Amino acid sequence: DAKTTQPPSMDCAEGRAANLPCNHSTISGNEYVYWYRQIHSQGPQYIIHGLKNNETNEMASLIITEDRKSSTLILPHATLRDTAVYYCIVRVHGSSNTGKLIFGQGTTLQVKP
Amino acid sequence: DVKVTQSSRYLVKRTGEKVFLECVQDMDHENMFWYRQDPGLGLRLIYFSYDVKMKEKGDIPEGYSVSREKKERFSLILESASTNQTSMYLCASSTPGDRWASGNTIYFGEGSWLTVV
Repeated sequence: DAKTTQPPSMDCAEGRAANLPCNHSTISGNEYVYWYRQIHSQGPQYIIHGLKNNETNEMASLIITEDRKSSTLILPHATLRDTAVYYCIVRVHGSSNTGKLIFGQGTTLQVKP
Repeated sequence: DVKVTQSSRYLVKRTGEKVFLECVQDMDHENMFWYRQDPGLGLRLIYFSYDVKMKEKGDIPEGYSVSREKKERFSLILESASTNQTSMYLCASSTPGDRWASGNTIYFGEGSWLTVV
């Protein structure tokens, strides 16, 4: 799976949009971009994933650049409960890498009142 | 809603004890996984199972075994607990990668914090 690069930390004001960037310049054509987050002492929580097109769900939006070398996770109205470590992962779908999920250092998002 | 439930959040066990960590998922997923997560080492795969009674070793299977008698339940067993097995253990599940066009998103439980003294 391709390597990802994220800033180690970011701050965001409560109620504002949080934009978390991720660089994955070596991504290959069949790799998906996934985002998870982990609140202290809890298991990772799936947020969203995408291949080429922008995606949106009830939690967030995922914007993937046209060349797919980077992406941005957008939390439209951040709350204090969104304070967590956010992980960007790229992975191939399929049985060949079943269970292989490599979390890098992630971005620690601190939402401030 | 997706639900992966781990039976114990916090456990303290003695060295040499046999430890069972239980996990249940309600999504009818074929794949189930056990990981451990340690500071600085990230998430490491211990074992996974792609069907009832089937199992495969992950990256760090030594000192662990697993059991999957029913599709919804996957157990991690520490035959003789040691202090270096003190960690947070995460259970997860997913559909097979080639089954759904949307892929095989992995869903995690809340984690079990095990301390071996």
